Amino acid sequence: DAGVTQSPTHLIKTRGQQVTLRCSPKSGHDTVSWYQQALGQGPQFIFQYYEEEERQRGNFPDRFSGHQFPNYSSELNVNALLLGDSALYLCASSLQGPDTQYFGPGTRLTVL
Amino acid sequence: QKEVEQDPGPLSVPEGAIVSLNCTYSNSAFQYFMWYRQYSRKGPELLMYTYSSGNKEDGRFTAQVDKSSKYISLFIRDSQPSDSATYLCAMTYSSASKIIFGSGTRLSIRP
Repeated sequence: DAGVTQSPTHLIKTRGQQVTLRCSPKSGHDTVSWYQQALGQGPQFIFQYYEEEERQRGNFPDRFSGHQFPNYSSELNVNALLLGDSALYLCASSLQGPDTQYFGPGTRLTVL
Repeated sequence: QKEVEQDPGPLSVPEGAIVSLNCTYSNSAFQYFMWYRQYSRKGPELLMYTYSSGNKEDGRFTAQVDKSSKYISLFIRDSQPSDSATYLCAMTYSSASKIIFGSGTRLSIRP
């Protein structure tokens, strides 16, 4: 049973560019959440998708947007990149029920 | 004040020692409490998952939740060098809600 997968593993962008990160949830999971983890910090919740809709959102600007597809996979888009967006971006999947969230390996984004 | 407070460490102990990791929190609405282990440049790995108050044991790991004190702990017995990692406490209101993390404690087990 494949766990949560994310792509790419690592990417480097420059300020002002746009980036798209991808996540495939654990088999059978229908909910995807995205987190940002800065170096030396715990993950911070960005938003959660269920039934192709954003259900919850953390304290992140509108430059951060997402999408969920009918197969439950998800994308995170970040526009107008800032140096401070450099972080490990984590995807977690779960069920809408008595379960917990399982994390993928993350995508490390470096903004120069 | 942060919702979840965790001592960042680093904490260094000799192999075989008992390790105690702790977090405090401010929101009494939290119902689910987790501990994650994160190796360098990897995603968090769920170690322990507890609903409400009480103790839970899994092998060398024991998680304790005291909701009256808003305090959670993770104990590691017979610590091994492979336990060296960052340990993140986390909590949430419901099983599918956003997770609120502590900042993590860096643990090093000396051979």
